[in-house]
Amino acid sequence: DSGVTQTPKHLITATGQRVTLRCSPRSGDLSVYWYQQSLDQGLQFLIQYYNGEERAKGNILERFSAQQFPDLHSELNLSSLELGDSALYFCASSAKGAGELFFGEGSRLTVL
Amino acid sequence: AQKVTQAQTEISVVEKEDVTLDCVYETRDTTYYLFWYKQPPSGELVFLIRRNSFDEQNEISGRYSWNFQKSTSSFNFTITASQVVDSAVYFCALSGGWYSSASKIIFGSGTRLSIRP
Repeated sequence: DSGVTQTPKHLITATGQRVTLRCSPRSGDLSVYWYQQSLDQGLQFLIQYYNGEERAKGNILERFSAQQFPDLHSELNLSSLELGDSALYFCASSAKGAGELFFGEGSRLTVL
Repeated sequence: AQKVTQAQTEISVVEKEDVTLDCVYETRDTTYYLFWYKQPPSGELVFLIRRNSFDEQNEISGRYSWNFQKSTSSFNFTITASQVVDSAVYFCALSGGWYSSASKIIFGSGTRLSIRP
């Protein structure tokens, strides 16, 4: 158990809908990362937050947004969903940036 | 720009063979970290090792060993006497900066390792 909690574990929705994925980092970790892993794809970095502030951005679509709350949990919002958004979304946390990441079990999103 | 290349998409070996997974990276940072992660069929991502750019000593942990060579920008991973439980996708990753509060951690595309009994 990495100590990182992600909910929901599985989510099935339709195109055009909006979903929110939630992540609770390890106790004491200030940094939260979001990654997308499509079928047979590597891990695509989406965004990083540190202590509530956005610190690094990857190839995150404009339809996606994220935030980190004062209690350090984070949410990734995916809107106007398309079939191609079906993927495993991982959250990871670290004590600071550049340290080793501890990953949650992922949220598997299926868009039909 | 940072980049991690894992040229081996898939490797299949027979149990007890040694296997090396290659990782080549690109970065302009003078200080950086390199990582290896394992993703077994169950899907979770398991941290294996972190190495900082100043430490080129090879590391051994049981059947696992890592060879970091700055001269060739490589951070290769060797499994000795492989076992079926080693079957997984292995990712090499790179982060820039030095333990800063802002850092992208970029992953390679992964190598799928299959160990046949």
